[in-house]
Amino acid sequence: DADVTQTPRNRITKTGKRIMLECSQTKGHDRMYWYRQDPGLGLRLIYYSFDVKDINKGEISDGYSVSRQAQAKFSLSLESAIPNQTALYFCATSGPGGLGDTQYFGPGTRLTVL
Amino acid sequence: SQQGEEDPQALSIQEGENATMNCSYKTSINNLQWYRQNSGRGLVHLILIRSNEREKHSGRLRVTLDTSKKSSSLLITASRAADTASYFCATVVSGYSTLTFGKGTMLLVSP
Repeated sequence: DADVTQTPRNRITKTGKRIMLECSQTKGHDRMYWYRQDPGLGLRLIYYSFDVKDINKGEISDGYSVSRQAQAKFSLSLESAIPNQTALYFCATSGPGGLGDTQYFGPGTRLTVL
Repeated sequence: SQQGEEDPQALSIQEGENATMNCSYKTSINNLQWYRQNSGRGLVHLILIRSNEREKHSGRLRVTLDTSKKSSSLLITASRAADTASYFCATVVSGYSTLTFGKGTMLLVSP
């Protein structure tokens, strides 16, 4: 049973469409993160949330928004998708043990914007 | 901007050999972590080393940290084909609370 799940796993969409990527976790962690991965660039942080009422921008938040619906759910939205948002998107969680804790990753969503 | 940079970008070895990957970073850190990613899948945490530690072991993994040189190394001993993956270092910069990832090293272990 996966502790961090992401839906959908794959998505193909068109330029200008609104799309939402969802993340759920059963680890009971307070902290959740969204990253994107592009070939040769590693992972870059889009948004993160340390609790339900806390939302913070990461390195590359432009063009994205998030919603923390509950402790266990953190969604990433692309309001108007563009081709350079084609990437692999990961959700991650970490516990309350301290700053910079180990992160636990979901399986990823492969998004293609045509 | 990238905080951590892994070296080499790619490494190809035979089963049974040791694999060494290096990570350099730019600013003072709270801790440094290594993650593994099998092709296109989610990252898996391997080991965390704090700024006041110099070496840690976990099974066949050995991590060193040299804060004076702002560098870390990951050694995988007696590599197996199943170790084939990309390996990323990630740092927690002092005063911050998020991870910054490097671009990774792709390791290929041939039977």
